[in-house]
Amino acid sequence: DGGITQSPKYLFRKEGQNVTLSCEQNLNHDAMYWYRQDPGQGLRLIYYSQIVNDFQKGDIAEGYSVSREKKESFPLTVTSAQKNPTAFYLCASTTGDQPQHFGDGTRLSIL
Amino acid sequence: AQTVTQSQPEMSVQEAETVTLSCTYDTSESNYYLFWYKQPPSRQMILVIRQEAYKQQNATENRFSVNFQKAAKSFSLKISDSQLGDTAMYFCAFRTGFQKLVFGTGTRLLVSP
Repeated sequence: DGGITQSPKYLFRKEGQNVTLSCEQNLNHDAMYWYRQDPGQGLRLIYYSQIVNDFQKGDIAEGYSVSREKKESFPLTVTSAQKNPTAFYLCASTTGDQPQHFGDGTRLSIL
Repeated sequence: AQTVTQSQPEMSVQEAETVTLSCTYDTSESNYYLFWYKQPPSRQMILVIRQEAYKQQNATENRFSVNFQKAAKSFSLKISDSQLGDTAMYFCAFRTGFQKLVFGTGTRLLVSP
């Protein structure tokens, strides 16, 4: 079955540590996205990529970095510069005018 | 800047009744798409319904329908014959041709027996 796989489901970060969230899709979608969800808020866009080797900052990119070396993969690194990383992170993908398809998310917490 | 506003933080409805969730948006674009997503306690984001701005006819998917008022920039979701499984957060979202989704803050819907 085609879909988006996010891993891990739960992740813990220590002070000063960088952590990487994985997002893989086998839908052959061109565009991929990372969103952050905090309690009581909607999803906010962190980064997005419309083609391989190209990506753009979203509304809350500070403290995060991404890469898009392969069409199927769009990992998100939460750096030590992100002082409040505790949140639920969702990856999505789409192509053409299709609606975005979402993964099951990763919950990141601080140790 | 494009914004999406959901003015109802929480709604309650009894099983089998009808409920309407409100959404307004602000944009200067003429071509865009509007969506309603459902997020149950499992936190998956599930597409409920979509509407293309160039279509005058309101979209319908089984028990879910929208009232799209382009001039008023309003996009409400009506859920008929509510079921317990409809309990979830509902997010209204807007997208232009560049495929960036802008979300509202959500409405928590509780369906009770």
